[in-house]
Amino acid sequence: AQKITQTQPGMFVQEKEAVTLDCTYDTSDPSYGLFWYKQPSSGEMIFLIYQGSYDQQNATEGRYSLNFQKARKSANLVISASQLGDSAMYFCAMREAFFNTGNQFYFGTGTSLTVIP
Amino acid sequence: DAGVIQSPRHEVTEMGQEVTLRCKPISGHDYLFWYRQTMMRGLELLIYFNNNVPIDDSGMPEDRFSAKMPNASFSTLKIQPSEPRDSAVYFCASSLWTSGGGSYNEQFFGPGTRLTVL
Repeated sequence: AQKITQTQPGMFVQEKEAVTLDCTYDTSDPSYGLFWYKQPSSGEMIFLIYQGSYDQQNATEGRYSLNFQKARKSANLVISASQLGDSAMYFCAMREAFFNTGNQFYFGTGTSLTVIP
Repeated sequence: DAGVIQSPRHEVTEMGQEVTLRCKPISGHDYLFWYRQTMMRGLELLIYFNNNVPIDDSGMPEDRFSAKMPNASFSTLKIQPSEPRDSAVYFCASSLWTSGGGSYNEQFFGPGTRLTVL
């Protein structure tokens, strides 16, 4: 089974509107972390936000927030007030803390976001 | 602090040639990862090291691929002989495991090497 599933290959959003990028995960590890990375057309991977499985509150970083629903095993990224510079590929990733002694990340297939002016 | 450094940034070579990709992780980081990214297969983990020791190379596609980490500040990924299907962007990433970090331990990515095999 896939550890990380991103079901939206491509998304469009109007500038200044909010958009939600979906991510579901599969693990039986009681301790895990969820990460979102942004990959613009220039190719670099940019870390955006992190959510720990024991965190009580949803993570936020500026315009980025993570809608963490533990029972549903979902960790959706919400981008508020979209900007043209948000057009990029977005990857969801997971690290298991107990089962994964090697610090390995599991990445999803990514969602391509296009912001329309 | 300097981030993860990769060289070269672009490599164009002919089928059958040997290709060596280089990576300098962030100083002090004890984990190093090599990934390959293609449109068809997405981001694939090839191999990772902990304290210079290869931990899991199950993602290395075949014997033509090899990776080394002779010291804490340098790693290479070698393809010999190269084939057109090896064309991809190769990323190196590093991270620091901290005992109190729990599930955190963000991976820091280098800029990638875009490899084209003709």
